[in-house]
Amino acid sequence: ETGVTQTPRHLVMGMTNKKSLKCEQHLGHNAMYWYKQSAKKPLELMFVYNFKEQTENNSVPSRFSPECPNSSHLFLHLHTLQPEDSALYLCASSHATSGSYNEQFFGPGTRLTVL
Amino acid sequence: GNSVTQMEGPVTLSEEAFLTINCTYTATGYPSLFWYVQYPGEGLQLLLKATKADDKGSNKGFEATYRKETTSFHLEKGSVQVSDSAVYFCALSDNAGNNRKLIWGLGTSLAVNP
Repeated sequence: ETGVTQTPRHLVMGMTNKKSLKCEQHLGHNAMYWYKQSAKKPLELMFVYNFKEQTENNSVPSRFSPECPNSSHLFLHLHTLQPEDSALYLCASSHATSGSYNEQFFGPGTRLTVL
Repeated sequence: GNSVTQMEGPVTLSEEAFLTINCTYTATGYPSLFWYVQYPGEGLQLLLKATKADDKGSNKGFEATYRKETTSFHLEKGSVQVSDSAVYFCALSDNAGNNRKLIWGLGTSLAVNP
């Protein structure tokens, strides 16, 4: 595998289910990101991890719980979601150095549908 | 706060037509500017970037020039192909503070017909 991979690619869940999204990067990066992409809205940054530490949480509801066990893996645990949480969830990674912007590399996303 | 405004799509063109997708921004300081592309079923890929005024980013026949006087970063291509059909996102990165945060436009869908 190369680049950034995400599983599953599609997920349908009920509001009472618990599921997890997985992201893995094979690029040697040490920063990872979760984004939410909804129709007719700008891409929303949800969480940022640098060297396994969470450095950003953009007021995301607690029904979304991220986990970063190492620099290569990122999870998003989901529980008691709402239909408005249906969206494409994108994972990205980059080098995590200070200074100018470091290019983020994106996975293909998980299309989530909450019934 | 910082923001990015893109022209609304969808944009539909015939093959070999000229493409312009407008992008304007509002920002304090000196942001870097980017165009990302999302092909069907894939994640976003960086297409090109410019880090200071008057810089021109280019890649795969696409170009965009960082115009500080008009706060614009319009994407252009002289002759589009069917394979250019995708969604294009303009974004800026504030180089002060948290430099890993991007501000995104809504995206412009492009469909190129043979």
